[in-house]
Amino acid sequence: EAQVTQNPRYLITVTGKKLTVTCSQNMNHEYMSWYRQDPGLGLRQIYYSMNVEVTDKGDVPEGYKVSRKEKRNFPLILESPSPNQTSLYFCASSLWASGSSNEQFFGPGTRLTVL
Amino acid sequence: QQPVQSPQAVILREGEDAVINCSSSKALYSVHWYRQKHGEAPVFLMILLKGGEQKGHDKISASFNEKKQQSSLYLTASQLSYSGTYFCGTGGSGGSNYKLTFGKGTLLTVNP
Repeated sequence: EAQVTQNPRYLITVTGKKLTVTCSQNMNHEYMSWYRQDPGLGLRQIYYSMNVEVTDKGDVPEGYKVSRKEKRNFPLILESPSPNQTSLYFCASSLWASGSSNEQFFGPGTRLTVL
Repeated sequence: QQPVQSPQAVILREGEDAVINCSSSKALYSVHWYRQKHGEAPVFLMILLKGGEQKGHDKISASFNEKKQQSSLYLTASQLSYSGTYFCGTGGSGGSNYKLTFGKGTLLTVNP
């Protein structure tokens, strides 16, 4: 089944404890992206990747790191999480980075709580 | 800067029509529309490219007016399944997902 998977789905952690949220897609998509969703703020892009080893900042990159060593994987790293990073995180992928039918497929989301 | 969506929320009865607007303070190159049902991930509806095109998707269509820097999503003869939060996103040229900036969303509730 074509899909984007994220792990873990739920995570409660403490301030300063490094964590990684994994994202994997099995559709051979070139483009991948991370978003966070907070009540009343909509979806905000954190980082995106146009291809392997090519990443760039979105609107809210502070406090996050990403890497794209393989086409299928795009982990989100929080080196020193803080309470303001408590949020619902979505990973998404699309076949290409642009195009008139450039549908993004979203993962199921990871709910992160930082105490 | 996030595009501005209006209204923030709308309640309809099944069969009624609705329009959701998306305005940007900067030049628009592409507008991406997604719908998110409660507790689920966003799902793609359509992308509109610069050029004032209209697109349709079942009874959901959209227009893009680059001069006015806005897009509108039209939901005709709404069904219960249309309920959810609708997001517009402003992207780069050619429908690019680079630096895709979403609005805060419009909550649509369709009642029987």
